[in-house]
Amino acid sequence: KNQVEQSPQSLIILEGKNCTLQCNYTVSPFSNLRWYKQDTGRGPVSLTIMTFSENTKSNGRYTATLDADTKQSSLHITASQLSDSASYICVVTLNTGGFKTIFGAGTRLFVKA
Amino acid sequence: KAGVTQTPRYLIKTRGQQVTLSCSPISGHRSVSWYQQTPGQGLQFLFEYFSETQRNKGNFPGRFSGRQFSNSRSEMNVSTLELGDSALYLCASSLVQATNTEAFFGQGTRLTVV
Repeated sequence: KNQVEQSPQSLIILEGKNCTLQCNYTVSPFSNLRWYKQDTGRGPVSLTIMTFSENTKSNGRYTATLDADTKQSSLHITASQLSDSASYICVVTLNTGGFKTIFGAGTRLFVKA
Repeated sequence: KAGVTQTPRYLIKTRGQQVTLSCSPISGHRSVSWYQQTPGQGLQFLFEYFSETQRNKGNFPGRFSGRQFSNSRSEMNVSTLELGDSALYLCASSLVQATNTEAFFGQGTRLTVV
């Protein structure tokens, strides 16, 4: 069964600290993996998109990694800021002749001063 | 350039009514996808339109329908509303098929069914 699981479900960190969010998937055949940031009450905003051949991609303080062999991805946030408080959603696309998108449930991050 | 615009932002409807939501994609984008987001289920894919044709469809009942116009604007309709249809409805636009390229989301329409 095609699934995307994210951990932890929620996370509280102090401003300035680093954190890593995890995404494990059982999707096949894999096409790409994306990380989105969603502020409360707003639409998701794309952070990174990685294909099978890419194993790391950065967007400012956000760095995503992908291990296609173990089907794991992580999103590392460096020097967290209060504005990083949001939900982070991992999205995996598979290509079975047509594209299908599987969403993770998201990790809710709270950054405290 | 302007982002994805969804209207209205908020909507309150009564059970049994029907509702139409609108999405204007980024200029030049031809693909529009619709999603339902609820606290319990997370983001769920409804359908995707490209060049006025539905290309993909999620696992939602037939009460949920959509269409795309020649200018790429899209509407989704929900008939015979149920309490469980209360959710944030998001649309996303992309240059080509949403699932293979970057998708840009609108702010969403918050639908409350009472």
